[in-house]
Amino acid sequence: NAGVTQTPKFRVLKTGQSMTLLCAQDMNHEYMYWYRQDPGMGLRLIHYSVGEGTTAKGEVPDGYNVSRLKKQNFLLGLESAAPSQTSVYFCASSYSGDNYGYTFGSGTRLTVV
Amino acid sequence: QKEVEQDPGPLSVPEGAIVSLNCTYSNSAFQYFMWYRQYSRKGPELLMYTYSSGNKEDGRFTAQVDKSSKYISLFIRDSQPSDSATYLCAINTDKLIFGTGTRLQVFP
Repeated sequence: NAGVTQTPKFRVLKTGQSMTLLCAQDMNHEYMYWYRQDPGMGLRLIHYSVGEGTTAKGEVPDGYNVSRLKKQNFLLGLESAAPSQTSVYFCASSYSGDNYGYTFGSGTRLTVV
Repeated sequence: QKEVEQDPGPLSVPEGAIVSLNCTYSNSAFQYFMWYRQYSRKGPELLMYTYSSGNKEDGRFTAQVDKSSKYISLFIRDSQPSDSATYLCAINTDKLIFGTGTRLQVFP
């Protein structure tokens, strides 16, 4: 039982390059989330999805896009990376949107130079 | 005002000490409160959750909610070096809102 798997684990991008982060969960969870974690800022929600085919903006959505074409996968895209997007990105999933907590992946460390 | 405030620490204690970690929150309507533990270079993992006011105990860990003062606490008894991690409080509205985390180090 893998839980939530994020790929890649590490990546270095040049400013202006694009990339996609993949999150996959095998728990049949409806809800999925993308967070970024920065020193002193805690975890901030970028985008989330309440089911296959749905997406919604979180607290810090600018510069990111997402897609949820399959229930088990949630993709986070950076179209034109900027140094301000250097961060650790975490994907999470939950059975429902409330009360039971989230299961997190192990993170993707992204550096934009 | 942030919805959840948490002292970032770091907090350094000797093995066997009682640790108190705290958060304050702004909205009295919040009902579900959680604590996550995050080891270095790992994702957060759910440690405990509580509903409304009162205490919840799980082994050496006790989560406490005081809704009158909008204060949530996590107590760790007989702390161990393996407890060294960052602890994040979280409040569930329709999404989780996290505190910034408190880094705890327990030294032998």
